[in-house]
Amino acid sequence: AQKITQTQPGMFVQEKEAVTLDCTYDTSDPSYGLFWYKQPSSGEMIFLIYQGSYDQQNATEGRYSLNFQKARKSANLVISASQLGDSAMYFCAMREVNTNAGKSTFGDGTTLTVKP
Amino acid sequence: DVKVTQSSRYLVKRTGEKVFLECVQDMDHENMFWYRQDPGLGLRLIYFSYDVKMKEKGDIPEGYSVSREKKERFSLILESASTNQTSMYLCASHPGLNQPQHFGDGTRLSIL
Repeated sequence: AQKITQTQPGMFVQEKEAVTLDCTYDTSDPSYGLFWYKQPSSGEMIFLIYQGSYDQQNATEGRYSLNFQKARKSANLVISASQLGDSAMYFCAMREVNTNAGKSTFGDGTTLTVKP
Repeated sequence: DVKVTQSSRYLVKRTGEKVFLECVQDMDHENMFWYRQDPGLGLRLIYFSYDVKMKEKGDIPEGYSVSREKKERFSLILESASTNQTSMYLCASHPGLNQPQHFGDGTRLSIL
């Protein structure tokens, strides 16, 4: 079974609107971290935001926030006030502390296109 | 700022050649990783290392080997390149379990 599922291969959003990128995960490890990365067309991977499994509050970093619903095993990325430069591929990743020796598992990614 | 440097952005090699992809990080991270990225398949882990001379297989190690003789350098080796190894290769490192990975710019490798 896939450990990280991103169900939206592609998404469109109008400039200045908010968009939610979905990510669900599967783990039996009680201690894990969830990461979101952005990959523009130039290819580099850019870290956006992190959420730990024991964090009580949803993580926020500027225009990025993570809607963490632990019971549903979901960690959706919310981008507010979309900009043209947000057009990129977005990856959700999970790292299990006790069961996976520091390795990360990545989803297949969501391609976001911001329309002017 | 953490810098992860991959030796080439673009590389073209011939079937059967031995290919070396080099990765260097400048922040003393214990953990280093090699991924390949193919359209629709996300990032797949080839090998990783959590210390000098230590290595562990990832999800798709067949046809690859790695070397980590110094902490800052992690090399990926294609023993005998084949056309199905044409891909984007990404190197990454991180210092600890709740820290993000830092990625190199990637190497687009074509095997002809």
